[in-house]
Amino acid sequence: DAEITQSPRHKITETGRQVTLACHQTWNHNNMFWYRQDLGHGLRLIHYSYGVQDTNKGEVSDGYSVSRSNTEDLPLTLESAASSQTSVYFCASRAGGGDTQYFGPGTRLTVL
Amino acid sequence: DQQVKQNSPSLSVQEGRISILNCDYTNSMFDYFLWYKKYPAEGPTFLISISSIKDKNEDGRFTVFLNKSAKHLSLHIVPSQPGDSAVYFCAARSIIQGAQKLVFGQGTRLTINP
Repeated sequence: DAEITQSPRHKITETGRQVTLACHQTWNHNNMFWYRQDLGHGLRLIHYSYGVQDTNKGEVSDGYSVSRSNTEDLPLTLESAASSQTSVYFCASRAGGGDTQYFGPGTRLTVL
Repeated sequence: DQQVKQNSPSLSVQEGRISILNCDYTNSMFDYFLWYKKYPAEGPTFLISISSIKDKNEDGRFTVFLNKSAKHLSLHIVPSQPGDSAVYFCAARSIIQGAQKLVFGQGTRLTINP
């Protein structure tokens, strides 16, 4: 079955370290998204991509970057982790022209 | 500014009764609305949606109502079951310059009591 996976599921890192969270989908969806979930804020969009080599900033993009070298993967990089980036991160994908985003299981990141 | 608001952080309902979750929005350009359900340690899963040209959409025990003039939507679950205990997020879609984005509410934690 097609699916969307995230790794690692849990990560603890130190302030200032570079961290990369992986997202992989096998639906062949063109559109992929990264969100963070924090209490009181729901899910907020960090970055998104509409296809290979396309990346766009969302509402909370500062301190994050993404790259899209193929259809299946959209890794999220925290260039220099900060305690404010402690959160649960969700990756999602959507078929081009589709209405529904499908989410991965999430990565819980703790920055000490 | 919070464009999509779920003003009730939590809701407790007895099994078999109706659960009503509410969501308000401010942007009249939103054209499509979705509800997602989230269990602990899992990603959100799509539940039901409604286009802005409709006022009701039903799928089994789940019905979503949209009141465009009030900028309000609600999710009705009847009858409520213990497995419905989860966090529910409403989301609204906007399309600006070809970019399709979802804006999420803060979520409502629904607890179904046996």
